[in-house]
Amino acid sequence: DAGVIQSPRHEVTEMGQEVTLRCKPISGHDYLFWYRQTMMRGLELLIYFNNNVPIDDSGMPEDRFSAKMPNASFSTLKIQPSEPRDSAVYFCASRRDGINNSPLHFGNGTRLTVT
Amino acid sequence: GESVGLHLPTLSVQEGDNSIINCAYSNSASDYFIWYKQESGKGPQFIIDIRSNMDKRQGQRVTVLLNKTVKHLSLQIAATQPGDSAVYFCAVRNTGFQKLVFGTGTRLLVSP
Repeated sequence: DAGVIQSPRHEVTEMGQEVTLRCKPISGHDYLFWYRQTMMRGLELLIYFNNNVPIDDSGMPEDRFSAKMPNASFSTLKIQPSEPRDSAVYFCASRRDGINNSPLHFGNGTRLTVT
Repeated sequence: GESVGLHLPTLSVQEGDNSIINCAYSNSASDYFIWYKQESGKGPQFIIDIRSNMDKRQGQRVTVLLNKTVKHLSLQIAATQPGDSAVYFCAVRNTGFQKLVFGTGTRLLVSP
């Protein structure tokens, strides 16, 4: 089991640029979550998908943020245009459906720095 | 909304001691509780979970205790080792919801 795979591991970009973060969930997992982690706010849920369909995007901070899941093995989180306050570690996580209380499995994150 | 807090931001212990990390939650509708360990540069790693119909669950060197009366959760680590040094998060989920709400984390420092 390769676990949840995220890329890139680090991203440094200038304010105003577009940033795309990528995630491959664990095979067979039906739910995919995007979290953001900062020192000030801790781990915050941005959006989650069930069977590739966005279910709850209430945590997405602004219209500058968008997420897609074109198939069961791939998701993207896009920020356009990026701002310095978007600097954080972005985590993707997945879990199986069918087991009501199965834990989330996290990737190792993408550390985003916007200058 | 849900708020999840931890009693101590940092816990320092000696190798071989038992560690106890505490967590308080606010929503009585919470029905599933998880402890995660996060090492530097990595994502949170699942340690142990417990459902609301239980008050204790044991794993390898770890025990989770749940007191629903006072909305309190604890993680006990037996014979703490230097490799246990990390930030520990509790997370809770409410019945019927998928969202996990995470606590702010406790940093465990284990000295040899």
